Amino acid sequence: GQQLNQSPQSMFIQEGEDVSMNCTSSSIFNTWLWYKQDPGEGPVLLIALYKAGELTSNGRLTAQFGITRKDSFLNISASIPSDVGIYFCAGDLNGGATNKLIFGTGTLLAVQP
Amino acid sequence: GAGVSQSPSNKVTEKGKDVELRCDPISGHTALYWYRQSLGQGLEFLIYFQGNSAPDKSGLPSDRFSAERTGGSVSTLTIQRTQQEDSAVYLCASSLTFVGPQHFGDGTRLSIL
Repeated sequence: GQQLNQSPQSMFIQEGEDVSMNCTSSSIFNTWLWYKQDPGEGPVLLIALYKAGELTSNGRLTAQFGITRKDSFLNISASIPSDVGIYFCAGDLNGGATNKLIFGTGTLLAVQP
Repeated sequence: GAGVSQSPSNKVTEKGKDVELRCDPISGHTALYWYRQSLGQGLEFLIYFQGNSAPDKSGLPSDRFSAERTGGSVSTLTIQRTQQEDSAVYLCASSLTFVGPQHFGDGTRLSIL
């Protein structure tokens, strides 16, 4: 099925470092979402973006909905060990019509204490 | 609990058998989704239910896959004549309305021998 291009594929960082990951698409999306998935669990919603250009923060997390509607980034500041997991971006092509999400391939984040 | 509940958490079965996976959405959520996550991959949309409307089945990979949602609540995903390529984690999500953020269960890990 269709997937978004997400990068980097994996990141290995030291505790306290800042992290940045992004998603791009050839299609325009009306909604961008960022999820975190821990092993053996379902994805948990971190941030939802609904307007082009929107910049939203959730604690140490900041995400932006690209002006072109074809990309989004997620930043994590001052990383801690519990940030370890797989981060997925997701986009909704149809906006108000349906809520059928297209997911990125994921970014594996490892944090060294 | 208050979250999306899926059962069983793990299922191992022989090739050719039929399997049923169950999802209990968050109470009051009108929209329900099924996704498939293969090893190391993002989530792949399968099917979407919204209220009493006809489901969006556009993501089902073959006619061996089907799903029902009874009484606007519990959903069952059925895979007939399972194949080894069906091995994956099957995730269910629900949202309050068709435009709301999706909340995921922890999934059913399906292994076909």
